[in-house]
Amino acid sequence: GENVEQHPSTLSVQEGDSAVIKCTYSDSASNYFPWYKQELGKRPQLIIDIRSNVGEKKDQRIAVTLNKTAKHFSLHITETQPEDSAVYFCAASRFSGGYNKLIFGAGTRLAVHP
Amino acid sequence: NAGVMQNPRHLVRRRGQEARLRCSPMKGHSHVYWYRQLPEEGLKFMVYLQKENIIDESGMPKERFSAEFPKEGPSILRIQQVVRGDSAAYFCASSPGQPRGETQYFGPGTRLLVL
Repeated sequence: GENVEQHPSTLSVQEGDSAVIKCTYSDSASNYFPWYKQELGKRPQLIIDIRSNVGEKKDQRIAVTLNKTAKHFSLHITETQPEDSAVYFCAASRFSGGYNKLIFGAGTRLAVHP
Repeated sequence: NAGVMQNPRHLVRRRGQEARLRCSPMKGHSHVYWYRQLPEEGLKFMVYLQKENIIDESGMPKERFSAEFPKEGPSILRIQQVVRGDSAAYFCASSPGQPRGETQYFGPGTRLLVL
């Protein structure tokens, strides 16, 4: 069945360093890849997404890359700040005709130390 | 434009009782998804609904769980005869359909605790 694997499960960095989270997906027909940030007790919030016709997308300190051949995508956060500390989830889906069932990774707990 | 609303935010039930979770999508959104999140885990898809129709319920247990999204009113996830293993956070998400139908906006979740 569909599966998304996410690594690492925990990540600890110093403020100002970069953080990279990697995901692989099993369904080669997947065409939509969002990343969500979830703070403790809060809702998941979309921070960036990428579609399969694009290899890379950047939004200020956040960037996502996609390698369709390897079925692999990554989240890059530069110049990390303490407020970036949260759990980050990647997801993949086969979006078609309005239908968009998201398959989530298990999450990465990011801690940014001042 | 109000975001996705869910209520109650916290719900405590004893084993065997019923839990009823409500989700009001963002204005103009006609697509609703329900996900379940166990402690320290990712979100798992349960069901996808459009107004008055269940489109995909492949992630929902066959027994005790049901969902609806009536023409008027919120979407409801109903769990009958709850067991301790049902304790989790239940999130709904809504999307607008075309043209940017893939973007899902999540509600604050309902945290269900079964005693």
